[in-house]
Amino acid sequence: QSALTQPASVSGSPGQSITISCTGSSSDVGGYNFVSWYQHHPGKAPKLMISDVSNRPSGVSNRFSGSKSGNTASLTISGLQAEDEAYYYCSSYTSRSTPYVFGTGTKVTVL
Amino acid sequence: QVQLVQSGAEVKKPGASVKVSCRASGYNFSRYGITWVRQAPGQGLEWMGWINVYNGNTNYAQKFQGRVTMTTATPTSTAYMELTSLRSDDTAVYYCARDFPFDIWGQGTMVTVSS
Repeated sequence: QSALTQPASVSGSPGQSITISCTGSSSDVGGYNFVSWYQHHPGKAPKLMISDVSNRPSGVSNRFSGSKSGNTASLTISGLQAEDEAYYYCSSYTSRSTPYVFGTGTKVTVL
Repeated sequence: QVQLVQSGAEVKKPGASVKVSCRASGYNFSRYGITWVRQAPGQGLEWMGWINVYNGNTNYAQKFQGRVTMTTATPTSTAYMELTSLRSDDTAVYYCARDFPFDIWGQGTMVTVSS
């Protein structure tokens, strides 16, 4: 099962905006609007931040937004805050034998 | 509140089996599936499989087929994941999560496989 491709790390200063990409194929990201994003602080449970490409669950800050173009989905964090420093993973439904796949993960550092 | 609470850490020898539990509360257990995800040290998240709590149907990642069994006990709102023939590279934190999108997660169970 091939993981979706994310940049290993992204950094930004407090208050800035950053974007994390998640690249797949027409069999997953490009073919379905079932892309979700998770925030993971080491030692804690992952937290759902975005579902269905761009839906923000109740309680998630509106500084987080999602989008998709072709085979690439993106997570944008605006007004970067120290608490946003974490790992972020995308996930997508896929038409392959294993129905769900995660991205490789991106470490976000707040400078 | 809606939550999933997992069993405690396990240490197993190579070749042994481990069974991790995941107890749900705060929602109708039968209405949602349970997914299992693992994270090996220094690695990313890996989808292992899913169980339909209502009818017991399962879908396992090809990588784990033949070694993993996912079950549920509706009276206690508990899901189980059993992994057999453990190897050192099965050392990981194992998470249960509710359905897709994985909106509720358990706290994770560390499974260490070592001789």
